[in-house]
Amino acid sequence: TQLLEQSPQFLSIQEGENLTVYCNSSSVFSSLQWYRQEPGEGPVLLVTVVTGGEVKKLKRLTFQFGDARKDSSLHITAAQPGDTGLYLCAGEGGTYKYIFGTGTRLKVLA
Amino acid sequence: EAGVAQSPRYKIIEKRQSVAFWCNPISGHATLYWYQQILGQGPKLLIQFQNNGVVDDSQLPKDRFSAERLKGVDSTLKIQPAKLEDSAVYLCASSLGPSIFRSPLHFGNGTRLTVT
Repeated sequence: TQLLEQSPQFLSIQEGENLTVYCNSSSVFSSLQWYRQEPGEGPVLLVTVVTGGEVKKLKRLTFQFGDARKDSSLHITAAQPGDTGLYLCAGEGGTYKYIFGTGTRLKVLA
Repeated sequence: EAGVAQSPRYKIIEKRQSVAFWCNPISGHATLYWYQQILGQGPKLLIQFQNNGVVDDSQLPKDRFSAERLKGVDSTLKIQPAKLEDSAVYLCASSLGPSIFRSPLHFGNGTRLTVT
């Protein structure tokens, strides 16, 4: 069974700090996505990574896909209160098999 | 484009009662998903439809949960009878096709179910 473990589970930081969220698996994924979910809403796609070693930047967010396509990280620079939310990684393993990670709840304090 | 529509937004029922959720996907999206999300956790896939056929329902508790997709468009998810552990947010998502890389998921805002 494919699993995606995220760490940390919870993170509370001050505005302006940097942070990194990790998404790990023992399985290989053909592609991996990161979503952010705010209270009362569904997850919203942030980025898709496909190639091992790939790095993508979205303003203050940097996403990296591991060389072996088994793990990924999300780094936020100078976090802002608007970054608060539940961050989810999700991977496409087998044919049309798509699973979500365990989630990281981030709170950025002003 | 209009997003994925779900109703109701909230539902409170007593255990052993039945409940139904409705989802209208984005127009033209062939693939529809129902997820269960326990508070603070990642969504768990319950069932995936491709048009009106079931692609994956391996994690659907079939003794109490059922789902259908009428004419390959709207979908309903039913729970009968409900248990306390069914308290969760039920998310509907749709995509153009079954390959997530080529067609990302678009989620509705979910239905929050509380079973007392």
